Amino acid sequence: DQQVKQNSPSLSVQEGRISILNCDYTNSMFDYFLWYKKYPAEGPTFLISISSIKDKNEDGRFTVFLNKSAKHLSLHIVPSQPGDSAVYFCAASVYGTSYGKLTFGQGTILTVHP
Amino acid sequence: DGGITQSPKYLFRKEGQNVTLSCEQNLNHDAMYWYRQDPGQGLRLIYYSQIVNDFQKGDIAEGYSVSREKKESFPLTVTSAQKNPTAFYLCASSASVDTQYFGPGTRLTVL
Repeated sequence: DQQVKQNSPSLSVQEGRISILNCDYTNSMFDYFLWYKKYPAEGPTFLISISSIKDKNEDGRFTVFLNKSAKHLSLHIVPSQPGDSAVYFCAASVYGTSYGKLTFGQGTILTVHP
Repeated sequence: DGGITQSPKYLFRKEGQNVTLSCEQNLNHDAMYWYRQDPGQGLRLIYYSQIVNDFQKGDIAEGYSVSREKKESFPLTVTSAQKNPTAFYLCASSASVDTQYFGPGTRLTVL
C-alpha cells in the first residue's frame, strides 16, 4: 500500500520558468512533510519541510504548499535552473512518533532545459 | 567537517555471502536509519535506531541485520537470506523527530 505517491515520474521545464512537483498521501495521521533532492549515485539532500499547522513554507526559490483536506502537497521552484535537474522525493511522517520514521514517494525526475 | 560517511561506495558480493556496509556520523545525532533504493522506486526503510543498543525493524527488514554499539556507528549486514540484495543503500541520521540527513550511499551488486 503506497501511502505517499508521486504520480508524475518525470517533468521537463524551461530554464527560468516555474517547476511544480506534486505529491499525494493517503494516511491522515501524517503531519510533517519533507522534500528531498537527489542526484544519481548520491544521497538525498534535504530541501524544505512543512508541518500540518501551516499551508505554505518558503525558502528562497523553493515553496511548499500543503492542502490537508485534499491530502496533497506541492513543491514550486521559481525560477527553475539547469542545476535543479535531479530526482525529487517527497516524504511524510507522523511527527513525534517512531522517531521521525519517514515514508517516501517514488520520486519525480525533473529536467530543466537551458 | 560534520557529516555522514558510508563505505565502500561500490561493493560486489558473491551469492551466498554476507556483507557489511559501514555508516558513521559525527553530527552527534541520536537516531540513525538504513534505506534501500531500487530503480524507479522511492526509499524503503530497512532498520532504524533511536538510541545506542536499541533498534527496530523497518518495512523490509527480512534478510538484514544491524547493530548500534556506538552512537556514531550503525553498520548494516546484508545476509545470504536476502533474496534480492542488489540495490543502492542509504544511511541517514537525525537529531530529532524531523529532518533526516543522508550519507552518499553504497551500491551493492551481487554477482
